[in-house]
Amino acid sequence: SAVISQKPSRDICQRGTSLTIQCQVDSQVTMMFWYRQQPGQSLTLIATANQGSEATYESGFVIDKFPISRPNLTFSTLTVSNMSPEDSSIYLCSAQGLADSYEQYFGPGTRLTVT
Amino acid sequence: KNEVEQSPQNLTAQEGEFITINCSYSVGISALHWLQQHPGGGIVSLFMLSSGKKKHGRLIATINIQEKHSSLHITASHPRDSAVYICAADTDKLIFGTGTRLQVFP
Repeated sequence: SAVISQKPSRDICQRGTSLTIQCQVDSQVTMMFWYRQQPGQSLTLIATANQGSEATYESGFVIDKFPISRPNLTFSTLTVSNMSPEDSSIYLCSAQGLADSYEQYFGPGTRLTVT
Repeated sequence: KNEVEQSPQNLTAQEGEFITINCSYSVGISALHWLQQHPGGGIVSLFMLSSGKKKHGRLIATINIQEKHSSLHITASHPRDSAVYICAADTDKLIFGTGTRLQVFP
């Protein structure tokens, strides 16, 4: 199995600022994803983080608001830019494709509160 | 109509009871995932199924591909099983159900 860590685990940020969330996997994986879970809601896919190229964003999410990096097969970052209270959510990183398996693993999440 | 529907939304049980959570989907899938989310947000993958049945400890997951239906069963439930259980249909991306909040009381 893969172990995923995220930093920070939680943060309280002011409106208009940006926060970068880091995701580290302990093994090389093919796919990495970023999800958002708003209070009381299920998970929503923000984007697929592609190694060495631009991320693939889902409808309703744009690069200017959620820039993503994936410099190698074990690490990715998600930045939440120009934050507003509506961005208060749990942000989760997940990974798939460890040793050719379709098993999907999730990070512990980053709980973001924007005031 | 959501592409992945779960029932019930909320479930309470006494310790020791047998629990069933249901998931129906309307999309073509390569697999179906059952996930467990504890308070605080951490998610654990319980099962990934493409056919038949899988068992891990007190947890059993089944899937009927023809009927597009999956169930998660918990035998001899325990308060530590209290969590939100989420099914997710694996298409080219995961499509999540809304989750079932389970509370098991001693």
